[in-house]
Amino acid sequence: GAVVSQHPSRVICKSGTSVKIECRSLDFQATTMFWYRQFPKKSLMLMATSNEGSKATYEQGVEKDKFLINHASLTLSTLTVTSAHPEDSSFYICSARDVTGLAGGELFFGEGSRLTVL
Amino acid sequence: AQKVTQAQTEISVVEKEDVTLDCVYETRDTTYYLFWYKQPPSGELVFLIRRNSFDEQNEISGRYSWNFQKSTSSFNFTITASQVVDSAVYFCALSDVTGTASKLTFGTGTRLQVTL
Repeated sequence: GAVVSQHPSRVICKSGTSVKIECRSLDFQATTMFWYRQFPKKSLMLMATSNEGSKATYEQGVEKDKFLINHASLTLSTLTVTSAHPEDSSFYICSARDVTGLAGGELFFGEGSRLTVL
Repeated sequence: AQKVTQAQTEISVVEKEDVTLDCVYETRDTTYYLFWYKQPPSGELVFLIRRNSFDEQNEISGRYSWNFQKSTSSFNFTITASQVVDSAVYFCALSDVTGTASKLTFGTGTRLQVTL
């Protein structure tokens, strides 16, 4: 089946540094990818929609300059947490939709990336 | 605005018991999709089912079954003869099918603990 891979799965960084998380669709093309954030024992909150070849669409309350999203190809989207602070520590999950899939069809999720900012 | 409510925060059952996880949703769309995902301790989200708003047939897949009731805006999930491996957080989600977007609105999840 379709696979979405995220890297790294875990990252620990110092406050003030930037961290990049990659999301790849391994066996299908994804014009649209979604980035979610999950706090401990909480639900997943959509952060932004990543569109191949164009700017990402951010949800209300998400800082664009803080969470930089680049969707440079049909199989790769990256999320960069700039100048990370401890409050950015969270579990980040991406998802991708097969371009041949139905609107609202099955979304494939990555394994998630746990960010810890010291 | 879309909303998904999973009123059960945590459920604990003994192995082999049946358990039902509730999901109630709100949407103004006439066309929408409902999903269930499983999140084991490792963190990844495992797709379980997708149901579109025009298909109210109940579905059974092995020990899993789903009951979609449009009249009550509910999409409940039942695990029959639960097993320890079923222990996880289960999320119900609703999709937005506006344009080409298909982002999901998730419920807060139900943590299922199955013990021996």
